[in-house]
Amino acid sequence: SQQGEEDPQALSIQEGENATMNCSYKTSINNLQWYRQNSGRGLVHLILIRSNEREKHSGRLRVTLDTSKKSSSLLITASRAADTASYFCAPLGAGGTSYGKLTFGQGTILTVHP
Amino acid sequence: GAVVSQHPSWVICKSGTSVKIECRSLDFQATTMFWYRQFPKQSLMLMATSNEGSKATYEQGVEKDKFLINHASLTLSTLTVTSAHPEDSSFYICSASLAGARKGNEQFFGPGTRLTVL
Repeated sequence: SQQGEEDPQALSIQEGENATMNCSYKTSINNLQWYRQNSGRGLVHLILIRSNEREKHSGRLRVTLDTSKKSSSLLITASRAADTASYFCAPLGAGGTSYGKLTFGQGTILTVHP
Repeated sequence: GAVVSQHPSWVICKSGTSVKIECRSLDFQATTMFWYRQFPKQSLMLMATSNEGSKATYEQGVEKDKFLINHASLTLSTLTVTSAHPEDSSFYICSASLAGARKGNEQFFGPGTRLTVL
């Protein structure tokens, strides 16, 4: 399975602090995507990092990718209460039965206290 | 741009009835749409991949006769839950992937449909 596995499962921080979430996967990927989901809502695409990229920034988000370790991390700087949500990484498979498919892990539940 | 809508947002039905959920890409063409199911406090599980004009590809363990998928145009895919039972109650989410050169890149997700079967 290409499923991304997030760590930690839950993270609780104060507003203004940074939040780091990690993701590991198993086989070769085309790219890796991070999504956010507010409770009971659909997914919001945050950022996509390609297999030949090592780091990518978007506003307060910073994503890294280490294909040799098959891992990625999402850093949210200067967190806000509105960042409270579940965060999922989704590797996009590059071959075999995983080709073109996103597979989601259990996610990291982030709670930012005001 | 890249907006995906779903209809209805939520539906309550009686056991044994069928429910149709629509997924539309509003401002782009999507050759591929995906259907996911999410149970409370769990991850999204891919149910099937839907390609315009062809039969859907179902993931292992998903009954194709129970979850009928039609992708008749580049902007519309439908999921019909046939003879629904309480265990089918879930949050159903679709996503659409851009056609052409960007195929295989990010997927754009709909807001989801909450199905409750009594």
